[in-house]
Amino acid sequence: AQTVTQSQPEMSVQEAETVTLSCTYDTSESDYYLFWYKQPPSRQMILVIRQEAYKQQNATENRFSVNFQKAAKSFSLKISDSQLGDAAMYFCAYWNYGGSQGNLIFGKGTKLSVKP
Amino acid sequence: GAVVSQHPSRVICKSGTSVKIECRSLDFQATTMFWYRQFPKKSLMLMATSNEGSKATYEQGVEKDKFLINHASLTLSTLTVTSAHPEDSSFYICSASPLAEPSTDTQYFGPGTRLTVL
Repeated sequence: AQTVTQSQPEMSVQEAETVTLSCTYDTSESDYYLFWYKQPPSRQMILVIRQEAYKQQNATENRFSVNFQKAAKSFSLKISDSQLGDAAMYFCAYWNYGGSQGNLIFGKGTKLSVKP
Repeated sequence: GAVVSQHPSRVICKSGTSVKIECRSLDFQATTMFWYRQFPKKSLMLMATSNEGSKATYEQGVEKDKFLINHASLTLSTLTVTSAHPEDSSFYICSASPLAEPSTDTQYFGPGTRLTVL
């Protein structure tokens, strides 16, 4: 069974600095998708970034980028120039392409605090 | 784009009553919608997957007779918590995957519904 592990329950970063959130996963599949979702205090889950496993190039979305290491099964999220609005729970998630739909597996989350 | 709404945002009900939660994809069609439950300070737990026009697929341990799911159209799915009890109090979140490429693999989430059963 696939699993997603976020080993950092909490992280803190100074405003304008860079922070990296870790995520590892376990799967025997070769085709899958990885996601980072942000859940602010409003509880709304917001898609931050998405990576297709077949793509070697790391996904980027403005200040957010990932370091996808397929062989190591690692998918870390880097937030550059951190802003106060980045404070939230961040969930790493895995979706097996072609598997049963709904098989979006979440990590336990990392709570990110941003200090002014 | 890819906006999902949920109604109501919060509901308080008495034990033994039933509560219906609606999930709508506002600007896209979704063949598949998902229902999650989230306990405080915990991750999301998938309850069931619903496909338009067919019966929902429930995850192990989720009572299908208690959590009734109806996916009536490509933009609407409903979750009915029947004979609610205090232990059903939780935050319920729906999500939807667009029918059209390129985002069929991506789930977009509703804002959630806070259910409190007295």
